[in-house]
Amino acid sequence: DAGITQSPRHKVTETGTPVTLRCHQTENHRYMYWYRQDPGHGLRLIHYSYGVKDTDKGEVSDGYSVSRSKTEDFLLTLESATSSQTSVYFCAISDRQPNTEAFFGQGTRLTVV
Amino acid sequence: SQQGEEDPQALSIQEGENATMNCSYKTSINNLQWYRQNSGRGLVHLILIRSNEREKHSGRLRVTLDTSKKSSSLLITASRAADTASYFCATALLKSGFQKLVFGTGTRLLVSP
Repeated sequence: DAGITQSPRHKVTETGTPVTLRCHQTENHRYMYWYRQDPGHGLRLIHYSYGVKDTDKGEVSDGYSVSRSKTEDFLLTLESATSSQTSVYFCAISDRQPNTEAFFGQGTRLTVV
Repeated sequence: SQQGEEDPQALSIQEGENATMNCSYKTSINNLQWYRQNSGRGLVHLILIRSNEREKHSGRLRVTLDTSKKSSSLLITASRAADTASYFCATALLKSGFQKLVFGTGTRLLVSP
């Protein structure tokens, strides 16, 4: 398995609180992604990074921000969590663009109450 | 809207039978990938087919790609109970050399002993 660790694995938080999810990789891959997975929607891209301090928005980026200060860490922050952000969040990494596969973490189940 | 749509949404077969899943997409792609997700786990890459390829094999997996119809199919031969999982197609779109993966909503496969 690719060395990807997501933390925490489970979190319950209250509406309006800030939440940060962490993705840590030991593969030295350049590209990192955050997806959310919801029933009926598959996986949707939130943000991605193509290098240290280089990030861009995906299709569902509203309400989320990211940071990548080191190659190995990609943080996803919900500035003020809402119930619509209850989801399973997956981090993925890839290298040798294009025509390469992505490796996924085990996911973080976030519940906003 | 989703780039890729899988069909059927759910498929139930007996061990030993073949399973076929289809994926349709909307725009030109660089490659198309198939992933498997076991319940509660992250996605695992199965196979990648480039836009200039028509068919690819990997063990019991066969993938076809028809770019004129914007569709792909995944065939799993001689299915096993361990193949029970959700299967997702992901279309790879290129943006400034960066590969952005857009996932479909998935097919849930149940293989009964």
